[in-house]
Amino acid sequence: AQKVTQAQTEISVVEKEDVTLDCVYETRDTTYYLFWYKQPPSGELVFLIRRNSFDEQNEISGRYSWNFQKSTSSFNFTITASQVVDSAVYFCALSDFTVGGYQKVTFGIGTKLQVIP
Amino acid sequence: EPEVTQTPSHQVTQMGQEVILRCVPISNHLYFYWYRQILGQKVEFLVSFYNNEISEKSEIFDDQFSVERPDGSNFTLKIRSTKLEDSAMYFCASSLGLADSNTGELFFGEGSRLTVL
Repeated sequence: AQKVTQAQTEISVVEKEDVTLDCVYETRDTTYYLFWYKQPPSGELVFLIRRNSFDEQNEISGRYSWNFQKSTSSFNFTITASQVVDSAVYFCALSDFTVGGYQKVTFGIGTKLQVIP
Repeated sequence: EPEVTQTPSHQVTQMGQEVILRCVPISNHLYFYWYRQILGQKVEFLVSFYNNEISEKSEIFDDQFSVERPDGSNFTLKIRSTKLEDSAMYFCASSLGLADSNTGELFFGEGSRLTVL
């Protein structure tokens, strides 16, 4: 069975601080996909990144960066120089490669990030 | 930018009533999904739909639930006789291609909040 663990339920940082959101996953599949989604207070799910299990390159997109380490089954997300607009719940998620190709995504419980001005 | 749209954004209903949540996936997408998020909890997979039939459903998706693609654009989730525990945010999602393809990105709608009284 797949499992995604986000051990940090809530984090508070002061604006401009860097913050790392942890994600650890479990799967028996050798091919899988990892995601991060942002859920602002308005409730929608905003896609941030999708990474397949064969691509362990770290990725940077503006103030966001992701560290994928297959050896430790972790896919951590760092926000550099945090801003108040970053305040949201962040979900890490895992999708296996199912027969037929559809995506049954398993989400973590989410980490609520509060950036204090 | 194309997006998944959902209606209504919020629906309040009495226990035992039927509810239909509507989704318009991105027009050329082939795979459709419903996910649910009970307030304060993680997002959970309900069902996936491809080629006019259910590909997989979770144990949450019991006989009270059904999905349909009545025409070329809408994808609906029906709850036949709502219960209090059906109160949640329901997210529709779609993807163009298979999970392992470059077009496998999952796009979520903004959600429909269902409140059962």
